[in-house]
Amino acid sequence: EVQLVESGGGLVKPGGSLRLSCAASGFTFSSYSMNWVRQAPGKGLEWVSSISSSSSYIYYADSVKGRFTISRDNAKNSLYLQMNSLRAEDTAVYYCAREDDSSGYIDYWGQGTLVTVSS
Amino acid sequence: VIWMTQSPSLLSASTGDRVTISCRMSQGISSYLAWYQQKPGKAPELLIYAASTLQSGVPSRFSGSGSGTDFTLTISCLQSEDFATYYCQQYYSFPWTFGQGTKVEIK
Repeated sequence: EVQLVESGGGLVKPGGSLRLSCAASGFTFSSYSMNWVRQAPGKGLEWVSSISSSSSYIYYADSVKGRFTISRDNAKNSLYLQMNSLRAEDTAVYYCAREDDSSGYIDYWGQGTLVTVSS
Repeated sequence: VIWMTQSPSLLSASTGDRVTISCRMSQGISSYLAWYQQKPGKAPELLIYAASTLQSGVPSRFSGSGSGTDFTLTISCLQSEDFATYYCQQYYSFPWTFGQGTKVEIK
């Protein structure tokens, strides 16, 4: 069974940093591209970042470029999102998401972790 | 950036109804479109990919159609468990973008 479990969310002040983690199990993690997608309270879905299976290709939404860094450790079956210079508008549930066969659509989602940026 | 217009934003319907949700792109994306269902407090779930391919385990009352710029999600006979919010997503080019969502509520 595919499982994606996020951790690392919490309350942080504007300008602060946070590192999210996603522990993957039930599939060959090193064979799949992975993504972070977020959802602000009461709002729709927003794609944040994507990383290919070997970390060769990395993409970011303009809204986070230069502030967020996606990475992965295939030996640990883990995905990360380093978030710096956080803003109030980064407040959201952050989902770790598996991309089907590098095709672009998401076939599995984690349960999400809430990040709140507030003073 | 490929912009998406999803409509309607709110759809009131009854059990047994046939409902249709539309997603229109600012430029052609061939068939690189997915549909997701999200229930309150839960992560989204994949319903359809490649515009019309049903994900394994998804009931056949769900169907997708379209290519290029205009796409449709149809629920042929609405069930109680289908009341949820639905999103389209294009994966033709980065940045991936999602539609604004359509909430299907009980009339």
